[in-house]
Amino acid sequence: DQQVKQNSPSLSVQEGRISILNCDYTNSMFDYFLWYKKYPAEGPTFLISISSIKDKNEDGRFTVFLNKSAKHLSLHIVPSQPGDSAVYFCAASANDYKLSFGAGTTVTVRA
Amino acid sequence: SAVISQKPSRDICQRGTSLTIQCQVDSQVTMMFWYRQQPGQSLTLIATANQGSEATYESGFVIDKFPISRPNLTFSTLTVSNMSPEDSSIYLCSAGRAFFGQGTRLTVV
Repeated sequence: DQQVKQNSPSLSVQEGRISILNCDYTNSMFDYFLWYKKYPAEGPTFLISISSIKDKNEDGRFTVFLNKSAKHLSLHIVPSQPGDSAVYFCAASANDYKLSFGAGTTVTVRA
Repeated sequence: SAVISQKPSRDICQRGTSLTIQCQVDSQVTMMFWYRQQPGQSLTLIATANQGSEATYESGFVIDKFPISRPNLTFSTLTVSNMSPEDSSIYLCSAGRAFFGQGTRLTVV
């Protein structure tokens, strides 16, 4: 049972524009959410996280929004850069450090 | 922050054999985890590696198939036993939630 869902397998965006990645979850016990970036042949790299007590967290070009009532979060990358081309995973945890991952969204930034 | 060294980075193994993957963290961490990423799929938690006690396995994973050691707060191993082609995956260790090793790409032939 997939508790974290990323329904868009891919996203193509022009350099300099905004990338918006979406993630939905079903487990209401999740209280911490994370986004990771993954290049081929490397492990996931942590990007940004948000606690369930917040609805927004910002770090440089990356902003994560959380809508608890909709069980939805999104990652905004602005402006998008060629180095942002990678697979992005959404993950969630509940009171522990065990992570449930989404299927990933492959982002391609076009020059 | 923590830096995690995982090895081997890749291996090709014969079916029926076993492979042990090592994960070394550059600082002491309480919680370490092992994940599997099957081809075209997301990461799935295999088990939590507990220091000084047996690992805690997720549904669908058993100790006989994936024995785990955690001798201290900086090191853990995962063994994939009696391998079959279905075990071909990327195996990753993590420390806490933010830090992952680079992964071990396993191909079973």
